[in-house]
Amino acid sequence: ILNVEQSPQSLHVQEGDSTNFTCSFPSSNFYALHWYRWETAKSPEALFVMTLNGDEKKKGRISATLNTKEGYSYLYIKGSQPEDSATYLCAFLGGADGLTFGKGTHLIIQP
Amino acid sequence: DAGVTQSPTHLIKTRGQHVTLRCSPISGHKSVSWYQQVLGQGPQFIFQYYEKEERGRGNFPDRFSARQFPNYSSELNVNALLLGDSALYLCASTAGGGPGNTIYFGEGSWLTVV
Repeated sequence: ILNVEQSPQSLHVQEGDSTNFTCSFPSSNFYALHWYRWETAKSPEALFVMTLNGDEKKKGRISATLNTKEGYSYLYIKGSQPEDSATYLCAFLGGADGLTFGKGTHLIIQP
Repeated sequence: DAGVTQSPTHLIKTRGQHVTLRCSPISGHKSVSWYQQVLGQGPQFIFQYYEKEERGRGNFPDRFSARQFPNYSSELNVNALLLGDSALYLCASTAGGGPGNTIYFGEGSWLTVV
């Protein structure tokens, strides 16, 4: 059974502050690491797909890094805004068995 | 352009009944996969289909089955429903089989088994 862990489980951040959270995954049989942003009653929104060790991706104020050798990825949000409030999920792809998701980090931005 | 669409959005079934959930992928996408999400957990992989053939199966009982049609839409079927099957069922599509392809999700079908 693959283990994908996300920390922290939940996070309260003041508007304007920057924040980051972690995803850890198996370091063997790595194909890709996906990040999603999921708001209640909406579909999960794809943020990044990362495939290479050392990958860094950026989308506006959100960025992510990948270390496949030690099995972790960080998601960073710069200058948090209320609309960043959501659950952030990472998902590990290790072969033909689909994505293995973590439980997510629930982010609340306080005005 | 339409994203991944799923139907129905909500449904209530009785224990022992059968349910069929439907999914239309993004136009041009040939791969469809299904996930189950129960409260407090991340989505769990059920099936993947690519070009109408099953390419992967998660750790779910044989009561769960799926198929993909020539137009790449898909159905997930669950027989002999149990209370524990109550969950959000997500469908996802992607353009191809490569690991670097973005996987897009629908809004899901909420199934309640009573």
